[in-house]
Amino acid sequence: QVQLVQSGAEVKKPGSSVKVSCKASGGTFSSYSINWVRQAPRQGLEWMGRITPILERANYAQKFQGRVTLTADKSTSTAYMELSSLTSEDTAVYYCARDRDVVVPSPGGVWGQGTLITVSS
Amino acid sequence: DIQMTQSPSTLSASVGDRVTITCRASQNIINWLAWYQVKPGKAPKLLIYKASSLESGVPSRFSGSGSGTEFTLTISSLQPDDFATYYCQQYNTYSGTFGQGTKVEIK
Repeated sequence: QVQLVQSGAEVKKPGSSVKVSCKASGGTFSSYSINWVRQAPRQGLEWMGRITPILERANYAQKFQGRVTLTADKSTSTAYMELSSLTSEDTAVYYCARDRDVVVPSPGGVWGQGTLITVSS
Repeated sequence: DIQMTQSPSTLSASVGDRVTITCRASQNIINWLAWYQVKPGKAPKLLIYKASSLESGVPSRFSGSGSGTEFTLTISSLQPDDFATYYCQQYNTYSGTFGQGTKVEIK
Protein backbone atom coordinates (compact mmCIF):
# COMPACT_ATOMS: atom_id res chain seq x y z
CA GLN A 1 0.00 0.00 0.00
CA VAL A 2 1.61 3.24 -1.12
CA GLN A 3 2.05 6.01 1.45
CA LEU A 4 3.12 9.61 1.00
CA VAL A 5 4.94 11.29 3.88
CA GLN A 6 5.51 15.04 3.70
CA SER A 7 8.05 17.24 5.43
CA GLY A 8 7.15 19.20 8.55
CA ALA A 9 5.54 22.57 9.12
CA GLU A 10 7.57 25.71 8.44
CA VAL A 11 7.37 29.42 9.16
CA LYS A 12 8.81 31.64 6.42
CA LYS A 13 9.41 35.33 5.97
CA PRO A 14 7.68 37.28 3.18
CA GLY A 15 9.79 37.28 0.03
CA SER A 16 11.54 34.01 0.86
CA SER A 17 11.08 30.55 -0.66
CA VAL A 18 9.96 27.22 0.73
CA LYS A 19 10.60 23.66 -0.44
CA VAL A 20 8.25 20.88 0.67
CA SER A 21 9.10 17.22 0.20
CA CYS A 22 6.81 14.24 -0.37
CA LYS A 23 8.37 10.78 0.02
CA ALA A 24 6.58 7.75 -1.39
CA SER A 25 6.89 4.29 0.08
CA GLY A 26 5.30 0.93 -0.61
CA GLY A 27 4.74 1.29 -4.34
CA THR A 28 6.07 2.28 -7.74
CA PHE A 29 7.14 5.91 -7.80
CA SER A 30 8.30 6.98 -11.25
CA SER A 31 5.30 5.95 -13.33
CA TYR A 32 2.68 7.89 -11.37
CA SER A 33 2.20 11.63 -11.52
CA ILE A 34 2.35 13.61 -8.28
CA ASN A 35 -0.01 16.55 -7.86
CA TRP A 36 0.39 19.47 -5.47
CA VAL A 37 -2.72 21.02 -3.95
CA ARG A 38 -3.04 23.68 -1.29
CA GLN A 39 -5.77 24.85 1.08
CA ALA A 40 -5.53 28.28 2.68
CA PRO A 41 -7.33 28.90 5.99
CA ARG A 42 -11.12 28.87 5.49
CA GLN A 43 -10.60 28.52 1.72
CA GLY A 44 -11.11 25.76 -0.82
CA LEU A 45 -8.73 23.37 -2.51
CA GLU A 46 -6.41 24.83 -5.13
CA TRP A 47 -4.50 22.73 -7.68
CA MET A 48 -0.95 24.01 -8.18
CA GLY A 49 0.61 21.58 -10.62
CA ARG A 50 1.67 18.05 -11.42
CA ILE A 51 4.93 16.26 -12.15
CA THR A 52 5.40 12.93 -13.91
CA PRO A 53 8.78 11.61 -12.71
CA ILE A 54 9.34 9.06 -15.46
CA LEU A 55 8.85 11.74 -18.12
CA GLU A 56 10.57 14.47 -16.08
CA ARG A 57 7.66 16.68 -17.13
CA ALA A 58 5.75 19.18 -15.02
CA ASN A 59 2.56 21.15 -15.67
CA TYR A 60 1.63 24.20 -13.64
CA ALA A 61 -1.56 26.09 -12.93
CA GLN A 62 -1.46 29.43 -14.67
CA LYS A 63 -1.70 31.24 -11.33
CA PHE A 64 1.60 29.74 -10.13
CA GLN A 65 3.59 29.80 -13.40
CA GLY A 66 7.03 31.24 -12.74
CA ARG A 67 6.73 30.99 -8.97
CA VAL A 68 6.47 27.26 -8.35
CA THR A 69 8.91 24.53 -9.34
CA LEU A 70 8.10 20.84 -9.11
CA THR A 71 10.89 18.28 -9.15
CA ALA A 72 11.27 14.59 -8.41
CA ASP A 73 14.18 12.40 -7.32
CA LYS A 74 13.54 8.91 -8.65
CA SER A 75 16.43 7.45 -6.63
CA THR A 76 14.75 8.38 -3.33
CA SER A 77 11.10 8.27 -4.50
CA THR A 78 10.67 11.85 -3.36
CA ALA A 79 8.83 14.72 -5.00
CA TYR A 80 9.45 18.36 -4.18
CA MET A 81 7.47 21.58 -4.45
CA GLU A 82 9.34 24.86 -4.24
CA LEU A 83 7.37 28.11 -4.01
CA SER A 84 9.17 31.45 -4.22
CA SER A 85 8.39 35.11 -3.46
CA LEU A 86 6.16 34.13 -0.57
CA THR A 87 3.46 36.45 0.75
CA SER A 88 0.93 36.06 3.53
CA GLU A 89 -1.51 34.83 0.86
CA ASP A 90 0.63 31.68 0.57
CA THR A 91 -0.11 30.64 4.16
CA ALA A 92 -1.81 27.28 3.65
CA VAL A 93 -1.64 23.54 4.08
CA TYR A 94 0.14 22.03 1.10
CA TYR A 95 -0.65 18.49 0.00
CA CYS A 96 0.96 16.10 -2.43
CA ALA A 97 -1.30 13.53 -4.06
CA ARG A 98 -0.31 10.60 -6.25
CA ASP A 99 -2.48 9.94 -9.28
CA ARG A 100 -4.85 7.04 -8.81
CA ASP A 101 -3.77 5.39 -12.06
CA VAL A 102 -0.68 5.26 -14.22
CA VAL A 103 -2.81 5.91 -17.28
CA VAL A 104 -3.60 9.61 -17.65
CA PRO A 105 -5.67 11.48 -16.96
CA SER A 106 -6.22 10.37 -13.38
CA PRO A 107 -7.24 12.12 -10.15
CA GLY A 108 -5.28 12.09 -6.91
CA GLY A 109 -5.94 8.78 -5.18
CA VAL A 110 -3.30 8.73 -2.42
CA TRP A 111 -2.60 11.86 -0.41
CA GLY A 112 0.14 12.99 1.91
CA GLN A 113 -0.71 14.22 5.39
CA GLY A 114 -0.25 17.87 4.48
CA THR A 115 2.38 20.46 5.39
CA LEU A 116 1.46 23.77 7.01
CA ILE A 117 3.43 26.70 5.63
CA THR A 118 2.97 29.95 7.52
CA VAL A 119 4.26 33.17 5.97
CA SER A 120 4.75 35.85 8.59
CA SER A 121 7.16 38.67 9.31
CA ASP B 1 -8.31 27.61 -17.83
CA ILE B 2 -11.32 25.40 -17.19
CA GLN B 3 -13.55 26.82 -14.43
CA MET B 4 -15.62 24.61 -12.14
CA THR B 5 -18.74 25.93 -10.40
CA GLN B 6 -20.39 24.01 -7.57
CA SER B 7 -23.81 24.54 -6.06
CA PRO B 8 -24.97 25.02 -3.45
CA SER B 9 -22.07 26.39 -1.40
CA THR B 10 -23.75 25.25 1.81
CA LEU B 11 -26.38 22.58 2.34
CA SER B 12 -28.25 21.85 5.57
CA ALA B 13 -29.59 18.31 5.86
CA SER B 14 -30.60 15.64 8.36
CA VAL B 15 -29.42 12.08 8.81
CA GLY B 16 -31.25 9.90 6.31
CA ASP B 17 -31.80 12.70 3.76
CA ARG B 18 -30.98 12.31 0.09
CA VAL B 19 -28.44 14.96 -0.86
CA THR B 20 -27.43 16.18 -4.32
CA ILE B 21 -24.51 18.49 -5.19
CA THR B 22 -24.05 19.93 -8.67
CA CYS B 23 -20.85 20.81 -10.48
CA ARG B 24 -20.64 22.64 -13.81
CA ALA B 25 -17.59 22.92 -16.05
CA SER B 26 -16.90 25.94 -18.26
CA GLN B 27 -16.18 23.62 -21.18
CA ASN B 28 -16.66 19.97 -22.13
CA ILE B 29 -14.56 17.77 -19.86
CA ILE B 30 -16.11 14.52 -21.15
CA ASN B 31 -16.13 12.50 -17.90
CA TRP B 32 -12.81 13.55 -16.36
CA LEU B 33 -14.45 14.55 -13.10
CA ALA B 34 -13.69 13.51 -9.53
CA TRP B 35 -15.41 14.12 -6.20
CA TYR B 36 -13.58 14.44 -2.88
CA GLN B 37 -14.68 14.60 0.75
CA VAL B 38 -12.71 16.89 3.05
CA LYS B 39 -12.94 17.00 6.84
CA PRO B 40 -11.17 19.57 9.04
CA GLY B 41 -7.51 18.73 9.60
CA LYS B 42 -7.60 15.76 7.23
CA ALA B 43 -6.37 15.18 3.69
CA PRO B 44 -9.01 15.00 0.96
CA LYS B 45 -10.51 11.58 0.29
CA LEU B 46 -11.31 10.47 -3.26
CA LEU B 47 -14.92 9.29 -3.53
CA ILE B 48 -15.72 9.18 -7.25
CA TYR B 49 -13.57 9.26 -10.40
CA LYS B 50 -14.42 9.33 -14.10
CA ALA B 51 -17.69 11.01 -13.08
CA SER B 52 -19.42 7.83 -11.89
CA SER B 53 -16.84 5.25 -10.77
CA LEU B 54 -16.88 4.56 -7.04
CA GLU B 55 -13.46 4.48 -5.42
CA SER B 56 -12.63 1.25 -3.59
CA GLY B 57 -13.81 1.26 0.03
CA VAL B 58 -16.27 4.13 -0.44
CA PRO B 59 -19.83 3.32 0.72
CA SER B 60 -22.34 2.65 -2.03
CA ARG B 61 -24.61 5.45 -0.78
CA PHE B 62 -22.28 7.78 -2.71
CA SER B 63 -22.85 7.98 -6.45
CA GLY B 64 -21.85 10.28 -9.29
CA SER B 65 -23.37 11.02 -12.66
CA GLY B 66 -23.08 13.35 -15.62
CA SER B 67 -20.91 14.05 -18.62
CA GLY B 68 -19.79 16.98 -20.71
CA THR B 69 -20.34 20.04 -18.51
CA GLU B 70 -22.88 19.00 -15.86
CA PHE B 71 -22.23 16.57 -13.03
CA THR B 72 -23.84 15.54 -9.77
CA LEU B 73 -22.79 13.84 -6.56
CA THR B 74 -25.61 12.11 -4.70
CA ILE B 75 -25.61 10.73 -1.17
CA SER B 76 -28.64 8.46 -1.03
CA SER B 77 -29.08 8.44 2.76
CA LEU B 78 -26.92 10.90 4.69
CA GLN B 79 -25.01 9.38 7.60
CA PRO B 80 -23.40 11.19 10.57
CA ASP B 81 -19.93 10.57 9.11
CA ASP B 82 -20.91 12.36 5.88
CA PHE B 83 -21.05 15.86 7.35
CA ALA B 84 -18.07 17.40 5.58
CA THR B 85 -17.13 19.61 2.63
CA TYR B 86 -17.26 18.13 -0.87
CA TYR B 87 -15.26 19.27 -3.89
CA CYS B 88 -15.47 18.41 -7.53
CA GLN B 89 -12.33 18.47 -9.66
CA GLN B 90 -11.81 18.31 -13.38
CA TYR B 91 -8.58 16.58 -14.27
CA ASN B 92 -6.79 16.26 -17.56
CA THR B 93 -3.21 15.88 -18.69
CA TYR B 94 -2.43 19.54 -18.09
CA SER B 95 -4.62 20.83 -15.25
CA GLY B 96 -6.81 19.91 -12.31
CA THR B 97 -9.21 22.70 -11.30
CA PHE B 98 -11.37 22.31 -8.20
CA GLY B 99 -14.84 23.66 -7.60
CA GLN B 100 -15.25 26.03 -4.66
CA GLY B 101 -16.71 23.36 -2.40
CA THR B 102 -20.06 22.46 -0.81
CA LYS B 103 -20.30 22.26 2.95
CA VAL B 104 -22.87 19.73 4.15
CA GLU B 105 -24.10 20.80 7.59
CA ILE B 106 -26.37 19.27 10.17
CA LYS B 107 -29.89 20.71 9.96
